[in-house]
Amino acid sequence: EIVMTQSPGTLSVSPGERATLSCRASRSVYNNLAWYQQKPGQAPRLLIYGASTRSTATPARFSGSGSGTEFSLTISNLQSEDSAVYYCQQYDQWPPMYTFGQGTKLEIK
Amino acid sequence: EVQLVESGGGLVKPGGSLRLSCGASGFNFSVYTMHWVRQSPGRGLEWVSSISSSGSYTYYSDSLKGRVTISRDNSKNSLTLQMNSLRAEDTALYYCARDPQSSEFPRPNYFDPWGQGTLVTVSS
Repeated sequence: EIVMTQSPGTLSVSPGERATLSCRASRSVYNNLAWYQQKPGQAPRLLIYGASTRSTATPARFSGSGSGTEFSLTISNLQSEDSAVYYCQQYDQWPPMYTFGQGTKLEIK
Repeated sequence: EVQLVESGGGLVKPGGSLRLSCGASGFNFSVYTMHWVRQSPGRGLEWVSSISSSGSYTYYSDSLKGRVTISRDNSKNSLTLQMNSLRAEDTALYYCARDPQSSEFPRPNYFDPWGQGTLVTVSS
């Protein structure tokens, strides 16, 4: 099983600033990495796939980077509505054994 | 609008069974691989099972293999997860999710979109 480790556990950032969230895989997943945003009482929503491609509804303030074992999600010009938990997910294994990180809680001060 | 609506969750005793359903609308259900993913405070997000568009291929997580069966009825746009021999650690919110693109054969993928989930509680 590929273990996904996210850091930090919680991040508190002021509006208008930039937040960088990290995700590490226990072995290379190439660019088969997705990021999701989950707000309280809601299902996860896809933000990024292929490590760096934004989904159609994702604002340009969100950007993903990395490959192999190290990935990051950067959110620029933070807005209050960006307050959420963010998860990474690898989809490199076949037969599937998809795994998620434990999440980073982003708080907007 | 693409919609996935789960149902069938509830309170069940350890060792019991439960059948979860997911109704799909707003897209051609029969050409998409579908998935179940669960979420609990203790285990976080955990992939449970996947089924190919035709239903010919099914996949299960090691933690649930042998206790769950995924199936689909393309004529009714419906996905099902039959869960047996339930344990306290199976307590979670169970989400139905779709592959992002249609495909005849399943392949590694992310999940988009997700339903709102149905809560399963295993307790005596």
